[in-house]
Amino acid sequence: KNQVEQSPQSLIILEGKNCTLQCNYTVSPFSNLRWYKQDTGRGPVSLTIMTFSENTKSNGRYTATLDADTKQSSLHITASQLSDSASYICVVSAHGSGNTGKLIFGQGTTLQVKP
Amino acid sequence: DVKVTQSSRYLVKRTGEKVFLECVQDMDHENMFWYRQDPGLGLRLIYFSYDVKMKEKGDIPEGYSVSREKKERFSLILESASTNQTSMYLCASSLRGHFMYEQYFGPGTRLTVT
Repeated sequence: KNQVEQSPQSLIILEGKNCTLQCNYTVSPFSNLRWYKQDTGRGPVSLTIMTFSENTKSNGRYTATLDADTKQSSLHITASQLSDSASYICVVSAHGSGNTGKLIFGQGTTLQVKP
Repeated sequence: DVKVTQSSRYLVKRTGEKVFLECVQDMDHENMFWYRQDPGLGLRLIYFSYDVKMKEKGDIPEGYSVSREKKERFSLILESASTNQTSMYLCASSLRGHFMYEQYFGPGTRLTVT
């Protein structure tokens, strides 16, 4: 069964600190892995998208890593800011037959950054 | 920049009413999607469309229908709203081959059915 599991479910950190969010998946055949940021009451916004051959990808203070062998990804946030308070969703894309496919969504990690 | 807009941010409807949620994208994307998002359940796909007048059921299509008469517009219809359809509804669009390409989301419509 295709699944994406994220941990922790929620996290509170102080402004300026770093943090790492985890995503484990059992999705086959794998196409790519995405991280989205979703502010409260808003739609998700893409942070990174990584294919099988990419180990790391950065977007400003956000750095995603991918280990396709262990089927794990992490999102590292450096020098957190209050505006980083949001839900972070890991999404894995599964390749289907022909030009089809499916996205499998994790349940998200809620991050709260406190001053 | 891709822009996906949804007709309402907040909507309150009564049980049994017919509800229309509209979504418009301005990037000429072939694919459009409707999701609902509930606490603890994440995003779940209701329907998607890969072309005008084409539609495919997602994971939870029961109680919903869709319409895509123009490429830029995708409508979600609740034929007879029920309280268990109270949720956040998100529209998204992408290039053809959505599992390969970025999905761009709208701001969401928070629907309350009383």
